[in-house]
Amino acid sequence: DAGVTQSPTHLIKTRGQHVTLRCSPISGHKSVSWYQQVLGQGPQFIFQYYEKEERGRGNFPDRFSARQFPNYSSELNVNALLLGDSALYLCASSWEGQRGAWEDEQYFGPGTRLTVT
Amino acid sequence: QKEVEQNSGPLSVPEGAIASLNCTYSDRGSQSFFWYRQYSGKSPELIMSIYSNGDKEDGRFTAQLNKASQYVSLLIRDSQPSDSATYLCAVVISNFGNEKLTFGTGTRLTIIP
Repeated sequence: DAGVTQSPTHLIKTRGQHVTLRCSPISGHKSVSWYQQVLGQGPQFIFQYYEKEERGRGNFPDRFSARQFPNYSSELNVNALLLGDSALYLCASSWEGQRGAWEDEQYFGPGTRLTVT
Repeated sequence: QKEVEQNSGPLSVPEGAIASLNCTYSDRGSQSFFWYRQYSGKSPELIMSIYSNGDKEDGRFTAQLNKASQYVSLLIRDSQPSDSATYLCAVVISNFGNEKLTFGTGTRLTIIP
């Protein structure tokens, strides 16, 4: 079975530009979460979506936005890029089971490495 | 106090020995706990989830949870060089009613042949 897929794998952008990252969840998973991971740190939660609705938002500026499509794939958008946005962006999917949105196991995609120059 | 705390390491363990990784968390109401393994340059890979107090075993891995002490650990038996990686503890933390999966900074484990 295919795991979580993300595109692109790598991306180089200039300060002030806009970027769109894409994610397709594991088949049957309805929840998608986005995380930012900088070197030496654990992943930091950005957004969670379930059934096209935002379920949660982390402590990130409004320059960060996301959406989920009817096929459960998702996009993360970042506007007005800053040097500090350089990081590995991870998408994770989970099956909405009995435990609820936050209790199910989350499976990560390979990530998108974003470099802002 | 950090929401999820781990020793950053590095932790060095001889091949064949038991590696013990520890994690503490701040939210006494947390109910869901996860261990992930992350190789350098790769994304986190789920090793195990644990929801109830006590031990949970899966192959060479054992997760231990003590909610009263707000402590979760991961034991790796018969450590192999391929176990060398960063191990991330993740806990579902509630902050003013908003829940999120919160990660520690990870413990870097090196298995010495």
